[in-house]
Amino acid sequence: ELKVEQNPLFLSMQEGKNYTIYCNYSTTSDRLYWYRQDPGKSLESLFVLLSNGAVKQEGRLMASLDTKARLSTLHITAAVHDLSATYFCAVDRGGGATNKLIFGTGTLLAVQP
Amino acid sequence: GAGVSQSPSNKVTEKGKDVELRCDPISGHTALYWYRQSLGQGLEFLIYFQGNSAPDKSGLPSDRFSAERTGGSVSTLTIQRTQQEDSAVYLCASSPHYRDDEQFFGPGTRLTVL
Repeated sequence: ELKVEQNPLFLSMQEGKNYTIYCNYSTTSDRLYWYRQDPGKSLESLFVLLSNGAVKQEGRLMASLDTKARLSTLHITAAVHDLSATYFCAVDRGGGATNKLIFGTGTLLAVQP
Repeated sequence: GAGVSQSPSNKVTEKGKDVELRCDPISGHTALYWYRQSLGQGLEFLIYFQGNSAPDKSGLPSDRFSAERTGGSVSTLTIQRTQQEDSAVYLCASSPHYRDDEQFFGPGTRLTVL
């Protein structure tokens, strides 16, 4: 059974600092997604990583995927308050025809001024 | 353009009642997914529709849950004889045909079973 773990579960950081959120998964998959969720809102797609070594950047966020280590990272550079949200990684179950996503537990990010 | 829409946004029901939740996917998207988000279980896959193929129902938690998709567009998730543990936010997502495409999520329906 595919399991997806994120750490940390909660991250409080100061504006201007850098930090990394980790996403580990238990079985082979070469498709990983990062989503953001604001309180009371739905999920917003951030990154789609489709191959080993994929790296994508958008603003202060950069995501990477290492399929051999079964690890994805979401790096935050010079955090600002607007980045405060819950971040989820999700992994495609792999195999078959269903793009069924298995989500991590989420990381609640609070950026303090 | 219009995103995924869901209705109602909130639903409060009594234990034992049936409820129907509706999802309108993005026009032209052939794949449609239902997930639910609860405090205890996080985000869970429920069911997946792709075109005219048989749906993947592997995530439905019990036979009280069912879903249909009419005309390859609108989908309805039905929960019969609701239980308190069914309380959650039910999210619908759609994506274009290809398997690697990102999924676009709707705003969700918050279901509360009293």
